[in-house]
Amino acid sequence: QVTLRESGPALVKPTQTLTLTCDISGFSINSNAMCVNWIRQPPGKALEWLAVIDWDNNIYYTTSLRTRLTISKDTSKNRVVLVMTDMGPDDTATYYCARLVSSRNYFDYWGQGAPVTVSS
Amino acid sequence: DIQMTQSPASLSASVGDRVTITCQASQDIDKYLNWYQQKPGKAPNVLIYDASNLETGVPSRFSGGGDGTHFTFTISSLRPEDSATYYCQQYDKIPYSFGQGTRLEI
Repeated sequence: QVTLRESGPALVKPTQTLTLTCDISGFSINSNAMCVNWIRQPPGKALEWLAVIDWDNNIYYTTSLRTRLTISKDTSKNRVVLVMTDMGPDDTATYYCARLVSSRNYFDYWGQGAPVTVSS
Repeated sequence: DIQMTQSPASLSASVGDRVTITCQASQDIDKYLNWYQQKPGKAPNVLIYDASNLETGVPSRFSGGGDGTHFTFTISSLRPEDSATYYCQQYDKIPYSFGQGTRLEI
């Protein structure tokens, strides 16, 4: 059974750095064709894709946030980590991790989401 | 980056109605488009992949079509549980991108 679970702080202050963890079970992040993505959704707004790391450690970011994002994986714990620097109020959102299998190219499993509020 | 424009932003319909949502890509994306359903407080769920393929377990009243830059998503006979927000998403080029969503009220 595939599950993804996000964890991280629910509240961060402006200018702080956010670190989110996606713990994965049911598949290995090093298995061929496995890609783990981060996607966020501000309250009442649309989904926004942020970043992906694949089985071969290829990494891609959304253009507008490229300078603030770092995605990495810890293969010993089968988890993916997203770091976002210089948080501001517009970064208030629910942050999801989601799996994409490169042979199918859609997000087939999602975590439950981690709500993050940026406020002083 | 590829922009996805979805319409309408919201619509209200009745049980048994047929509804269609459109999604326009800012450049040719072939058939590299997926459709998701999202209910309040939940993560999205894929319904259609590769523009027109029904994901396993998804009812056949859902369908998708189109290619290139213009795509459609149709629910043939609405049921109360179809009340949700629907998103298109392109995967032709990274960065992946979603439409703005269509909120469907039954």
